[in-house]
Amino acid sequence: GEDVEQSLFLSVREGDSSVINCTYTDSSSTYLYWYKQEPGAGLQLLTYIFSNMDMKQDQRLTVLLNKKDKHLSLRIADTQTGDSAIYFCAPLGRADSNYQLIWGAGTKLIIKP
Amino acid sequence: DSGVTQTPKHLITATGQRVTLRCSPRSGDLSVYWYQQSLDQGLQFLIQYYNGEERAKGNILERFSAQQFPDLHSELNLSSLELGDSALYFCASRPGGQANTGELFFGEGSRLTVL
Repeated sequence: GEDVEQSLFLSVREGDSSVINCTYTDSSSTYLYWYKQEPGAGLQLLTYIFSNMDMKQDQRLTVLLNKKDKHLSLRIADTQTGDSAIYFCAPLGRADSNYQLIWGAGTKLIIKP
Repeated sequence: DSGVTQTPKHLITATGQRVTLRCSPRSGDLSVYWYQQSLDQGLQFLIQYYNGEERAKGNILERFSAQQFPDLHSELNLSSLELGDSALYFCASRPGGQANTGELFFGEGSRLTVL
């Protein structure tokens, strides 16, 4: 089946930029999503990028997509303690006639003071 | 607040027992998804329902079953529980069934501990 890979942990200093990387196998993904899970909470949609885009910026968040290499990244500028969370990469894949998100294992972002 | 409600928030039970987890989707959402999140296996898709019918099945064990009722709430039944079933179970909803977007709205989860 299709696969999504992410590093399990990323540690950055407060105020630095965080870059969370993701590689995927489904080249037909039309939308690629980033979800955020704060401690003790459910997942919430953070941002997404459409497959015909290379970059999308939304305030402190920048999503980069390299379709050729099937590589997606999420950059968080000026990382704050409130950014501590698990970040999931989730390309939208298609199985039969149904669209399904294909989830990475999640990257836990740890902020050092 | 995502609008998705899950009960109970926490549940402690013994091996061999059976439990039912309940999910109320956002008002008007027809699709309900169930996920299992454990420390060693990340987020695993279990099953999806759309307007009362099963739409897609993931890594759901035969000991587990689910249904979606006419009022669109859903229940996940876990039986013959094993220690390894201890996990956080999430429900998520979205408006359509085959919509080609991936925005899901997640509940806060039900944490199951099997002793």
